[in-house]
Amino acid sequence: KQEVTQIPAALSVPEGENLVLNCSFTDSAIYNLQWFRQDPGKGLTSLLLIQSSQREQTSGRLNASLDKSSGRSTLYIAASQPGDSATYLCAVRRKGGSEKLVFGKGTKLTVNP
Amino acid sequence: DGGITQSPKYLFRKEGQNVTLSCEQNLNHDAMYWYRQDPGQGLRLIYYSQIVNDFQKGDIAEGYSVSREKKESFPLTVTSAQKNPTAFYLCASSNPRDGYNEQFFGPGTRLTVL
Repeated sequence: KQEVTQIPAALSVPEGENLVLNCSFTDSAIYNLQWFRQDPGKGLTSLLLIQSSQREQTSGRLNASLDKSSGRSTLYIAASQPGDSATYLCAVRRKGGSEKLVFGKGTKLTVNP
Repeated sequence: DGGITQSPKYLFRKEGQNVTLSCEQNLNHDAMYWYRQDPGQGLRLIYYSQIVNDFQKGDIAEGYSVSREKKESFPLTVTSAQKNPTAFYLCASSNPRDGYNEQFFGPGTRLTVL
């Protein structure tokens, strides 16, 4: 059974700092991995999707990497801003046709001005 | 303007009542999903549908029912059999045929049992 873990559960950093959020998964047979952002009381916003054949994806100040063999993904946020404060979730889709995503519990990020 | 809409934003239910949460998408996606989110827990899949007139149970389907009569719509009914329905409910959709199957979410409905 696929399990997704995100550590730490919460992170507080000063504005301008570069930071890394971690995601690990137990079964390396994945189709792809998605990173989401969730603001309090809101839905999820898709940030980046990495296919199993890819090593990384970039969007603006965000860079997500994938190491399937070790069951790890990281989300790198450059030059953090208070507006980046949110909960970040990662989710993996199993290889082999399953349409289901398995989610981690998220990392709550606070960027202090 | 493409996207996923959910209504209502807030819903209050008396014990013993059935309530229906609406989810509509205009992204032309074949697949749609319902998740439940509780504090301190990850998202849990309730039901999903990969095509019109077909749906499958997720991990926590007991006490819930769905229908998929139209491609654009995937309503969720929370029945009186659901013992602890107070939660944040999220609807999502994706296009499995594009090779990415990226999942997009609606804004959510917060259900409270009085």
